[in-house]
Amino acid sequence: GAVVSQHPSRVICKSGTSVKIECRSLDFQATTMFWYRQFPKQSLMLMATSNEGSKATYEQGVEKDKFLINHASLTLSTLTVTSAHPEDSSFYICSARIQGLYGYTFGSGTRLTVV
Amino acid sequence: KNEVEQSPQNLTAQEGEFITINCSYSVGISALHWLQQHPGGGIVSLFMLSSGKKKHGRLIATINIQEKHSSLHITASHPRDSAVYICAAPRSQGNLIFGKGTKLSVKP
Repeated sequence: GAVVSQHPSRVICKSGTSVKIECRSLDFQATTMFWYRQFPKQSLMLMATSNEGSKATYEQGVEKDKFLINHASLTLSTLTVTSAHPEDSSFYICSARIQGLYGYTFGSGTRLTVV
Repeated sequence: KNEVEQSPQNLTAQEGEFITINCSYSVGISALHWLQQHPGGGIVSLFMLSSGKKKHGRLIATINIQEKHSSLHITASHPRDSAVYICAAPRSQGNLIFGKGTKLSVKP
């Protein structure tokens, strides 16, 4: 139980284009979704917290106009990387808190390459 | 100094060896999490513990709240255990802060 489905798993896009990443909670309702980014050999860093029905809160240094987050329903949160640049190439992963044994569940991640 | 520190950063072991990964944290927490990240990037939760010790198969996690220290042990290690192991602590806002991870490679 408590699965988050994240798509796409890999995407290559051209500089200047936009990419949308989706995270769906399949068997539970996620009022909050955390979006993390991981650069090679670095730890995961929180980018933003997405709350259903309200504006996302962004960490310092993360441009809210570049990384658009939408959490329109209790089962879907999306992250759109707008006007992507090569420096946005990274691994993006979502996570939600859950009741039960482990506390958190994670999407499978999206590896974004901007060329 | 990071709020969550792990050691070692890299670990190579022979199949069958007993493995220990350590985690120290400087924040007050309600529970500590151990995660496994596969080469493709996917993350699996292994343990959430707030006191004492938990065991799941060949994996054992311990925590000492007073010393702010936790360990993850793998008994009878196997090549399929090769992955990055990450400890993480929850912030009051609900998100996790992560250690840098320990890359484990178990050789047959």
